[in-house]
Amino acid sequence: DAGVTQSPTHLIKTRGQHVTLRCSPISGHKSVSWYQQVLGQGPQFIFQYYEKEERGRGNFPDRFSARQFPNYSSELNVNALLLGDSALYLCASSLGAQTQYFGPGTRLLVL
Amino acid sequence: AQTVTQSQPEMSVQEAETVTLSCTYDTSESDYYLFWYKQPPSRQMILVIRQEAYKQQNATENRFSVNFQKAAKSFSLKISDSQLGDAAMYFCAYRSAFNDMRFGAGTRLTVKP
Repeated sequence: DAGVTQSPTHLIKTRGQHVTLRCSPISGHKSVSWYQQVLGQGPQFIFQYYEKEERGRGNFPDRFSARQFPNYSSELNVNALLLGDSALYLCASSLGAQTQYFGPGTRLLVL
Repeated sequence: AQTVTQSQPEMSVQEAETVTLSCTYDTSESDYYLFWYKQPPSRQMILVIRQEAYKQQNATENRFSVNFQKAAKSFSLKISDSQLGDAAMYFCAYRSAFNDMRFGAGTRLTVKP
């Protein structure tokens, strides 16, 4: 079975632009979470979706938004990019409240 | 708020030896899960081992085992017979039911041949 997939793998944007990151969960998983990992730190929680509803939101500005589609895939959108948004963005899926399985991540560089 | 602390930024072990990585957490909840994830240079986050808080028995996965001390809120990872491929960043993580995962700052493990 395929694991969690994310696209694109790498992305370079300039300040002020908008970016959309995509995630497909493991088949059968209904929960998707997004994390931001700055180099040298642990992942920080951004959003969690379960059955297409937002279940949790981390301490991130309103420039960050997400949604989950009927097929349980998800998008993370970031508007008005700042240099500090440069990071690895990780998507994780789970059946419910237990183990999260992570995708390979999208590396975003903001210039 | 739940916090996870890894007090060892870096650890080193000789190949074939045993190493223990430390983790403490703070929570007022009784039902939760604890995890160790491995992140190699590729930065893919790989699950190493999982522990349910309601289980008294420590989890074991081949060469990896944990020492879960619920009262002390401690969750250490022991790697036996260390291999070169074990070299990576190791993150301790906490998750309560349907809530987000909280990660520690990580421990960088070096394995010397």
